[in-house]
Amino acid sequence: SSELTQDPTVSVALGQTVRVTCQGDSLRSYYANWYQQKPGQAPVLVFYAKDSRPSGIPDRFSGSSSGNTASLTITGAQAEDEADYYCTSRDSSGNHWVFGGGTKLTVL
Amino acid sequence: QVQLVQSGAEVKKAGASVKVSCKASGYNFAGYYIHWVRQVPGQGLEWMGWINPDSGATRYSQKFQDRVTMTRDTSISIAYMELTRLRSDDTAVFYCARDWLSDYFDYWGQGTLVTVSS
Repeated sequence: SSELTQDPTVSVALGQTVRVTCQGDSLRSYYANWYQQKPGQAPVLVFYAKDSRPSGIPDRFSGSSSGNTASLTITGAQAEDEADYYCTSRDSSGNHWVFGGGTKLTVL
Repeated sequence: QVQLVQSGAEVKKAGASVKVSCKASGYNFAGYYIHWVRQVPGQGLEWMGWINPDSGATRYSQKFQDRVTMTRDTSISIAYMELTRLRSDDTAVFYCARDWLSDYFDYWGQGTLVTVSS
């Protein structure tokens, strides 16, 4: 399968913890990478590979994976975390890349 | 610092072609693949394909396979994406992104809006 599935919308209370998930068969073989996109801006990498966070990304962002599901966790969500989040990975063939449909995170 | 700077917005008629450029600076252009990603307004990200700037080899998504061509000019560190037979539903922002060692996309261009009118 070449699809990655994400919940379209997720909400979290300010300061609470939220998990954004991504499901797909290819995740059994390849790590998911996570991008944050705010309106009118290009995506920004926030977590990648098994356990890596780019320089400048707050440590409240973390990732994990189990079986065919990858997760991005935001511990202590802030107002500025309100954005769309996309997972991406190679497809099952390894020859192409695929994005999840995106999750719109609302911080209440 | 690494930068990917894309060409400006375009308005095209249905059936025409568009060629978007992505100028790289701050790193060895030939050393990292460039990917292209489409985002229709209000929708998600779609992977279109990649180009290896060193060899010129390409790989395209099946969705765009028959309409897209990715090229590069290593002398001026620019990658190009040409999309032909444009349709109104191709109205979108197109992004280029650098591939870090085939693991993830670490730098993105600012995006180029292509508007297709009928």
